[in-house]
Amino acid sequence: QKEVEQDPGPLSVPEGAIVSLNCTYSNSAFQYFMWYRQYSRKGPELLMYTYSSGNKEDGRFTAQVDKSSKYISLFIRDSQPSDSATYLCAMGSALYNTDKLIFGTGTRLQVFP
Amino acid sequence: DGGITQSPKYLFRKEGQNVTLSCEQNLNHDAMYWYRQDPGQGLRLIYYSQIVNDFQKGDIAEGYSVSREKKESFPLTVTSAQKNPTAFYLCASSTRTMTDTQYFGPGTRLTVL
Repeated sequence: QKEVEQDPGPLSVPEGAIVSLNCTYSNSAFQYFMWYRQYSRKGPELLMYTYSSGNKEDGRFTAQVDKSSKYISLFIRDSQPSDSATYLCAMGSALYNTDKLIFGTGTRLQVFP
Repeated sequence: DGGITQSPKYLFRKEGQNVTLSCEQNLNHDAMYWYRQDPGQGLRLIYYSQIVNDFQKGDIAEGYSVSREKKESFPLTVTSAQKNPTAFYLCASSTRTMTDTQYFGPGTRLTVL
């Protein structure tokens, strides 16, 4: 079993839809949770960073973390064609002075006009 | 502008050749990383460095080598010992540790002919 599972998609939605992207994980030591957006043939860019259970909102984006269920989500409201990209979740722990960051495989999102 | 640059954008290599990928950052970050991205797989850590003149192997270091002689630079050499080097290579940097926000470069696409 992979430490981080992410549905590869593609997920295709109409403009204006609410998008839900999800990752599950198995390692309860993960403390930090991130979402990156990656456009085709570009480097990933950080969208959201959180280290606690609950919701964090930034504009049209909301990151949700449920540590008890080992499940994180990224919601995109009023999706736009410019949101079409691959979304990567990443999780990290910093126990015993050993940092570790694990990336999901990414979910490809397509928003059509 | 502060950021991370990688060069070249595309690189072609004949089998048996070593090639070096460049990564430079002007963010004054202590830590730098090299990842490999393949279709259907998450980013996999090759090497990382948290301080000049020191670096650590990641999960898939075999067939790769690095150096960190300057804070700003972290070149990656893909040696002929790397059995399947065709991939998208991403360099990243962070303030200090792996769980600090990582900023990515635009990537280098390496193809072995």
